[in-house]
Amino acid sequence: AQSVTQLDSQVPVFEEAPVELRCNYSSSVSVYLFWYVQYPNQGLQLLLKYLSGSTLVKGINGFEAEFNKSQTSFHLRKPSVHISDTAEYFCAVTEGNTGFQKLVFGTGTRLLVSP
Amino acid sequence: DGGITQSPKYLFRKEGQNVTLSCEQNLNHDAMYWYRQDPGQGLRLIYYSQIVNDFQKGDIAEGYSVSREKKESFPLTVTSAQKNPTAFYLCASSTGQGETQYFGPGTRLLVL
Repeated sequence: AQSVTQLDSQVPVFEEAPVELRCNYSSSVSVYLFWYVQYPNQGLQLLLKYLSGSTLVKGINGFEAEFNKSQTSFHLRKPSVHISDTAEYFCAVTEGNTGFQKLVFGTGTRLLVSP
Repeated sequence: DGGITQSPKYLFRKEGQNVTLSCEQNLNHDAMYWYRQDPGQGLRLIYYSQIVNDFQKGDIAEGYSVSREKKESFPLTVTSAQKNPTAFYLCASSTGQGETQYFGPGTRLLVL
């Protein structure tokens, strides 16, 4: 079964600094990968997704992620964060091309942006 | 506006009581899902439904039940058999495999 590891439970960073949130998944032949953001007491909003094609994926709010098959990683990056980026970020994976498969989530990384 | 609605926003359950959480979508999506969110544990799948009148258990289905009588609706009942129901419950929908899951705003369930 698929699994997702988000090693950092919390990442503190200063405003306008770059940030990387790490995500590793268990190996599979073909996967679809997602990053979601959750603001306090709200549902999840999709930031970006990788289904196929270019390994560098750009999303909303200036975020991007790179799919690395050899390292089974899908790290999320932003070159300059804002206070408003403070939220919890979830990486998720589902197996591709094998029929209906559920989405498996990591435990989340809380991004704390301070002035 | 298309989207997913969940009600109520907060729900209180008494000992031994069954409660039902509502989830409605007007996105014309075939698939719908229920997740439970606990602090530090991410989201865990309770039940999912690929089409009307069909649903499958997820990873933590014990103490929960669902129905899918209409494409737009996927209510979740938390039964008295669920001994630790306090959590944030999220409903989602998608067009199918590999496609984005869109989430509702969630329902927070608390035990009195």
